This record gives sequence, C-alpha cells and structure tokens, in this order.
Amino acid sequence: NAGVTQTPKFRVLKTGQSMTLLCAQDMNHEYMYWYRQDPGMGLRLIHYSVGEGTTAKGEVPDGYNVSRLKKQNFLLGLESAAPSQTSVYFCATKQGSLHEQYFGPGTRLTVT
Amino acid sequence: DQQVKQNSPSLSVQEGRISILNCDYTNSMFDYFLWYKKYPAEGPTFLISISSIKDKNEDGRFTVFLNKSAKHLSLHIVPSQPGDSAVYFCAASDSGTYKYIFGTGTRLKVLA
Repeated sequence: NAGVTQTPKFRVLKTGQSMTLLCAQDMNHEYMYWYRQDPGMGLRLIHYSVGEGTTAKGEVPDGYNVSRLKKQNFLLGLESAAPSQTSVYFCATKQGSLHEQYFGPGTRLTVT
Repeated sequence: DQQVKQNSPSLSVQEGRISILNCDYTNSMFDYFLWYKKYPAEGPTFLISISSIKDKNEDGRFTVFLNKSAKHLSLHIVPSQPGDSAVYFCAASDSGTYKYIFGTGTRLKVLA
C-alpha cells in the first residue's frame, strides 16, 4: 500500500522545455490536488480534480495543465517551462466529504 | 491577497514547555480548518482539524482553538518534544468548494 507517490523526485529543465509530473494513488480517493511550495509562500493550489475526468483551476494555474483520465492518476504538465516554475510540487488526495489530505513526497523541479 | 496568514515564520521553545502557533484568516466563508506538520524532504502530514461549529478540538498533546469573531486559530502543543520540530501549516476551506488555502508556515524548533 504505497499511498500517494510522485514521479519523478527531482528534475532539472531548461527554459522552454516541457515535462509531465505524475501523481498516483492507491487509496481510491475521489479528490486530487497539485500544490507548489515556494520559500515564504507556503503551499499554493495549482489545479485540482473532484473525480475522474474532471479538473478545476486553483490559485496559481497559469503555465500548467492537468489531466485525470484515470481515478488513480493526476498528471501535471508544463508545456514551456520558465524559471518562475522552479519549485517543489506536492500532490495530495482526499476521500469524499472528509477534509484530511494525504500528500505525496514531492517533486523538486529546477528550471534554468 | 493572502487569505490565510501565519505571521510568525519561526518559533523556538524549550522541551516540555508549551508551543503556541497562530493563524489568521480573512475569508468569512471558511468553515473548516486544519493543521499540517512537515518535515524536510517529506510531504505534509495531517495533524488536527476543527470545524467552525466548534471552538476547541483536542487530540493528545495537540489542541486547536478557533475564535471566529477574530478570525483566528491557534495550535497548542503541550508538552513540546524535540520530535515536534518541523514546519507547521494551517489551512482553511469553504466546505462547498473543497479547495484548501494554506498559510505560509511556521518553523517550530523544540530545544532539548
């Protein structure tokens, strides 16, 4: 029972490159979230999903796209990476009407 | 506009004493509040939560107090232990949205 896993753990990109971050969960949770954590900024919500096939924008969605084709996976895409997207990215899940979120270990992304 | 604020970036407390972490919010629609704990290189983990219909919730050494009129919540840790040294985030939600807004975090250091 792995809980919430994130792939990759680390990545360095050049400006303009694209990549996809994968979040996978084995808890059968409906809700999934992508956050970024920056020094002095806390955790900021990028996009979230309330179920398979649905996505919605969070606080800082610009420059990112997401897809939730399968219930257990939530993908975060950067089409053209920028240095401002250097951050630690966390995926989280939660079950139905409960509020507690379960977080993955994070992906550290550096854009040069 | 930061809807959830943790004005103390850091706090140091002696082992065995009380740690008090504070959080303020501006959105009167928030009706559920959570505290998360984060160790370096790990994802946040849920600690304790409170609904707006209560003013106190206790779980072992951890107590959360909510003052709705002041739009303020606090986390009390008694007694503090060295293993409590971590970054603590408060989060707030309007239950109708299932989006969570996080504060910037407070780094707690418990001195042995």
